[in-house]
Amino acid sequence: DGGITQSPKYLFRKEGQNVTLSCEQNLNHDAMYWYRQDPGQGLRLIYYSQIVNDFQKGDIAEGYSVSREKKESFPLTVTSAQKNPTAFYLCASSFGEGGHEQYFGPGTRLTVT
Amino acid sequence: AQRVTQPEKLLSVFKGAPVELKCNYSYSGSPELFWYVQYSRQRLQLLLRHISRESIKGFTADLNKGETSFHLKKPFAQEEDSAMYYCALSGHAGGTSYGKLTFGQGTILTVHP
Repeated sequence: DGGITQSPKYLFRKEGQNVTLSCEQNLNHDAMYWYRQDPGQGLRLIYYSQIVNDFQKGDIAEGYSVSREKKESFPLTVTSAQKNPTAFYLCASSFGEGGHEQYFGPGTRLTVT
Repeated sequence: AQRVTQPEKLLSVFKGAPVELKCNYSYSGSPELFWYVQYSRQRLQLLLRHISRESIKGFTADLNKGETSFHLKKPFAQEEDSAMYYCALSGHAGGTSYGKLTFGQGTILTVHP
């Protein structure tokens, strides 16, 4: 089941530690996205990248950082500045232009205690 | 700013009954609307998009610009339709469409036997 992968599936961290979530795609998509999924709040966009070496903040970027050094990879770092980091994180990719389907990864559940 | 509202968090129907999942949006430009679905233990995936005007798994959705709505309908619900459904909007600006999506809060549909 290739396409877009996220690792690990579950991640546990202590408060105050930064943690990086992996997202890789082999679909040759230009655009990649990070969402956070919380019960009752739907999916909220954290960061997105439409091309390598470029990315933009989404609606809830505070406390997060990303990089896009390769087309295939878009890692997300949850920093200690993020006040409520415990959540389910979804990565997605698409051909970039609007109207194209976004393909989602299986998600990573992060728990910070 | 763009916003998507799904007024029902939970929706329950019996098998064979009609179902309608509501979606309203707010956007000043020309939107593209989508429905995404997440079945139990599966990835979030595209169900249908308004521009295709297609019926997928018996579901249809019509964009009503006057009422700014994009409700998802199926005349006869099946148990396998039970899932989380998200309405999403992609905006346009200056003749270019953006890839990023704004999601609603989601509706959990349960179809009882």
